[in-house]
Amino acid sequence: KAGVTQTPRYLIKTRGQQVTLSCSPISGHRSVSWYQQTPGQGLQFLFEYFSETQRNKGNFPGRFSGRQFSNSRSEMNVSTLELGDSALYLCASSHPRPGQGDSRSTDTQYFGPGTRLTVL
Amino acid sequence: QQPVQSPQAVILREGEDAVINCSSSKALYSVHWYRQKHGEAPVFLMILLKGGEQKGHDKISASFNEKKQQSSLYLTASQLSYSGTYFCGTVSGGSNYKLTFGKGTLLTVNP
Repeated sequence: KAGVTQTPRYLIKTRGQQVTLSCSPISGHRSVSWYQQTPGQGLQFLFEYFSETQRNKGNFPGRFSGRQFSNSRSEMNVSTLELGDSALYLCASSHPRPGQGDSRSTDTQYFGPGTRLTVL
Repeated sequence: QQPVQSPQAVILREGEDAVINCSSSKALYSVHWYRQKHGEAPVFLMILLKGGEQKGHDKISASFNEKKQQSSLYLTASQLSYSGTYFCGTVSGGSNYKLTFGKGTLLTVNP
């Protein structure tokens, strides 16, 4: 099976611009999560999509948004870029078990290679 | 709340052992361990569920102490390929599944 793919791999933008990142999950996986990785903060959860619906959201401003399509592919958008948005953006896909709570706590997330965003 | 990992960094010689700890202030359902090499995606190692189980993967194993809300990752007879940053991710109580990662432990194995 092909792994999680992300495009583009590298991106350079200037402050105030907006950017869209794309993620294609492993075939059959319906859940896609997005993370921001920086040297100081580590991996921080942005949001999770499942069946085209946002299921969870982290503590990021509204400039960060996402969506998921019917084929489970997901996009993440950052508007009005700031210097502090420079980071590696990772997406991860999983095949959740149905239900809530304990049954979802064992879902394994498989990460893509990430998109390195540099804001100048 | 972000789990706390210790140590932040460790340097080993090939063949030595190491322990990486992950602690949370919240009651945990599960702990997930990942390794990330420089410039690569995090790679899944193993999941531990509440109940205090211990799992193994080659010479890498882990335990989960539910009473202490702490997990430890054990690397025995380390190899050069073990070098990388190790992250623990935790899932806490509540109906929303959210994997919260620690800041990572940088492991360097030298010949």
